[in-house]
Amino acid sequence: DAKTTQPTSMDCAEGRAANLPCNHSTISGNEYVYWYRQIHSQGPQYIIHGLKNNETNEMASLIITEDRKSSTLILPHATLRDTAVYYCIASRLGSARQLTFGSGTQLTVLP
Amino acid sequence: DAGITQSPRYKITETGRQVTLMCHQTWSHSYMFWYRQDLGHGLRLIYYSAAADITDKGEVPDGYVVSRSKTENFPLTLESATRSQTSVYFCASTQGVNTEAFFGQGTRLTVV
Repeated sequence: DAKTTQPTSMDCAEGRAANLPCNHSTISGNEYVYWYRQIHSQGPQYIIHGLKNNETNEMASLIITEDRKSSTLILPHATLRDTAVYYCIASRLGSARQLTFGSGTQLTVLP
Repeated sequence: DAGITQSPRYKITETGRQVTLMCHQTWSHSYMFWYRQDLGHGLRLIYYSAAADITDKGEVPDGYVVSRSKTENFPLTLESATRSQTSVYFCASTQGVNTEAFFGQGTRLTVV
């Protein structure tokens, strides 16, 4: 699976959009980009995933660049409950070892 | 209740003792995973299973044993616990094809 690079930490004002970047320059054509988050002391929670098209669900939007070397997770209206560590993962579809977590980005939503 | 549950939530054991952490899921997901999480590290994969009776090593398997006789259960055993195995352990399951993984709430294990 491709290695991903994320900033260590970010801050965002409550009510504003949080844009979390992820670099995956070595991603291969059959690798999806997955995003998970982990709120303090809880198990990770799935957010969204995509291959090459932009995706949106009730939690977030995922924007993947045309060359697929980077992506951005967007939380449109961040709340204090969105404070968490966000993990970007590049993983082959159907791989049994699909979830290899890096260090993630600590997002702090400020009141 | 539907979902994935881990037990116990908290465990203190002594060095050298055998301890088993339990993981149960109600969705009949094919894949199950065990991770450990330590301060300063992300989640590291210990073992995973693609189906009943099929298991394989992850990144940090030494000192751990797993089994999967039934699809819904995936216990993790520390045969002789060491202090370096003090950690938070997470179990996860996924159907495996273009689906999300669901994680349990974790077991906080302390080896003294």
